[in-house]
Amino acid sequence: GDSVTQMEGPVTLSEEAFLTINCTYTATGYPSLFWYVQYPGEGLQLLLKATKADDKGSNKGFEATYRKETTSFHLEKGSVQVSDSAVYFCALSEGGYGGSQGNLIFGKGTKLSVKP
Amino acid sequence: EAQVTQNPRYLITVTGKKLTVTCSQNMNHEYMSWYRQDPGLGLRQIYYSMNVEVTDKGDVPEGYKVSRKEKRNFPLILESPSPNQTSLYFCASSPTGFRNQPQHFGDGTRLSIL
Repeated sequence: GDSVTQMEGPVTLSEEAFLTINCTYTATGYPSLFWYVQYPGEGLQLLLKATKADDKGSNKGFEATYRKETTSFHLEKGSVQVSDSAVYFCALSEGGYGGSQGNLIFGKGTKLSVKP
Repeated sequence: EAQVTQNPRYLITVTGKKLTVTCSQNMNHEYMSWYRQDPGLGLRQIYYSMNVEVTDKGDVPEGYKVSRKEKRNFPLILESPSPNQTSLYFCASSPTGFRNQPQHFGDGTRLSIL
């Protein structure tokens, strides 16, 4: 079945450091890929998405490129801030293909802490 | 403001006492879903609904029921809660559930079953 594997945390960085959170996936069809962010005590918010190979999603300085050849969707940011401290989830959806039900398949999450 | 609203946000209860977690969305979305979040396991889908009166099981449906009598509401029912259902629950919605549509999440309901 479909699955998402992301790097385990926690990840602790200093402000202005470069961030990479690795995400790889296994899927039978042509999934869309997402990064969601969860701030403490809140629900998940969409951070960015990509719906086909070679698409680059970007938002708030974060970027991720859909790499079909390596089945990856790594999250990057050039200079993190304290306000970026949160849990980040990589996810895929194959909804609409083969009768699948729009289920989001999530990685286990990576907790990021950014120190001043 | 477009949102998914869950109630209650927090609940502590005892084994066997029926409870309902409500979920409502104001975006006229056809697709709604429930997930549970557990440490080390990420989020897993419990049930989903493609439209009114259409519901189906997700990956971890045991011990839960849902209904979809109106488009905006999708309550999660635990008829006889057990301690292994202690978890953080999220309701989500999207326009149709098609793969390129991100899902909008509520703020979560933390359930503790003693």
